[in-house]
Amino acid sequence: GAGVSQSPSNKVTEKGKDVELRCDPISGHTALYWYRQSLGQGLEFLIYFQGNSAPDKSGLPSDRFSAERTGGSVSTLTIQRTQQEDSAVYLCASSLDRGLSNEQYFGPGTRLTVT
Amino acid sequence: KQEVTQIPAALSVPEGENLVLNCSFTDSAIYNLQWFRQDPGKGLTSLLLIQSSQREQTSGRLNASLDKSSGRSTLYIAASQPGDSATYLCAAFEPGNTPLVFGKGTRLSVIA
Repeated sequence: GAGVSQSPSNKVTEKGKDVELRCDPISGHTALYWYRQSLGQGLEFLIYFQGNSAPDKSGLPSDRFSAERTGGSVSTLTIQRTQQEDSAVYLCASSLDRGLSNEQYFGPGTRLTVT
Repeated sequence: KQEVTQIPAALSVPEGENLVLNCSFTDSAIYNLQWFRQDPGKGLTSLLLIQSSQREQTSGRLNASLDKSSGRSTLYIAASQPGDSATYLCAAFEPGNTPLVFGKGTRLSVIA
């Protein structure tokens, strides 16, 4: 079956421009997560969606970052006025629920480079 | 605050060796612990998930153990192959509305 997909796979943008990253979770998965992996760093949580509940935005590094999830499926992560420190791999994951079996499945990521 | 540590940061072994990767976590109140593999430039592939009530999980040549009381998990890889070369990450999932907490990974190289 289809896994988590993300687009674009690579994005190069100029400092100050806005970017949108897309995530298509596994069909039927109600939980969706965004993480960021910077060079030499571990994975950093950004934001989490669960069903129709308000998202957990506690990991967003600044108000330039926002995300939405339409119809409980596709999610878009938007970064406004990009900065060089935003350069990283942005990973999306989905899981069936947040119960004990919360096994997360990851997409291939979007590599963002801000020049 | 949960912290996850992986040792060693990098490991190089000859093909055929059995090896152990270590993961430690500071807060034992976890729901589960998940091991992932990440190839260069790729996303994460889930290898094994151990529930808090379990002590180990096996998949092929991989065996993961969990000791909550000591805050440790190990990933055992038997008869290593060059194709096992990748970065291995462990992540803890805690009760409540929290995301996975990741270690920084162990970069494994298996030399033919």
